[in-house]
Amino acid sequence: KAGVTQTPRYLIKTRGQQVTLSCSPISGHRSVSWYQQTPGQGLQFLFEYFSETQRNKGNFPGRFSGRQFSNSRSEMNVSTLELGDSALYLCASSLGVGDGYTFGSGTRLTVV
Amino acid sequence: GESVGLHLPTLSVQEGDNSIINCAYSNSASDYFIWYKQESGKGPQFIIDIRSNMDKRQGQRVTVLLNKTVKHLSLQIAATQPGDSAVYFCAENRDAGNMLTFGGGTRLMVKP
Repeated sequence: KAGVTQTPRYLIKTRGQQVTLSCSPISGHRSVSWYQQTPGQGLQFLFEYFSETQRNKGNFPGRFSGRQFSNSRSEMNVSTLELGDSALYLCASSLGVGDGYTFGSGTRLTVV
Repeated sequence: GESVGLHLPTLSVQEGDNSIINCAYSNSASDYFIWYKQESGKGPQFIIDIRSNMDKRQGQRVTVLLNKTVKHLSLQIAATQPGDSAVYFCAENRDAGNMLTFGGGTRLMVKP
């Protein structure tokens, strides 16, 4: 079966711009989570959506937002980009709580 | 687990030897644990998981041990191969939805 698909793979943006990243979960998976990975902070939880509702949110500023559509696809948006937002953004999907989480290959965002 | 930042602990083993990667988790309320493998340029790949009502689980060439008394998790890889070279992360789920907290990671290097 197809895995978790994230687009685009690479992105370069200018400070102050906004960006939207997309994630298509494994078919049948209704939970989608987003993580930020940086060399300095490691993997950090951003937020999780289930059936179009945000269930959990990590400790990130309000510039980071997301949503989930009825087909379980999810997008995350970062507004007013800062240099420190440069990171690998990872999406993971699962059937439900504690059912194992499958990650996509991520979107590498570079802010210049 | 706590992030160790830029300088990942490194475990260097000879091909064919067994590897043991350790992880200390932080929350005694965590009830689900996962080991992930991440290769360069890829997202984390699920290796094996274990629930808090177990203390050992075996997969193909891998074994996870859970010691709840000291909040310690380990991953044992039997007959380590060059393809096992990667960064390994432990993650804990704190029963509040699909929010994983990751350890800082350990880099495994396999010498041929």
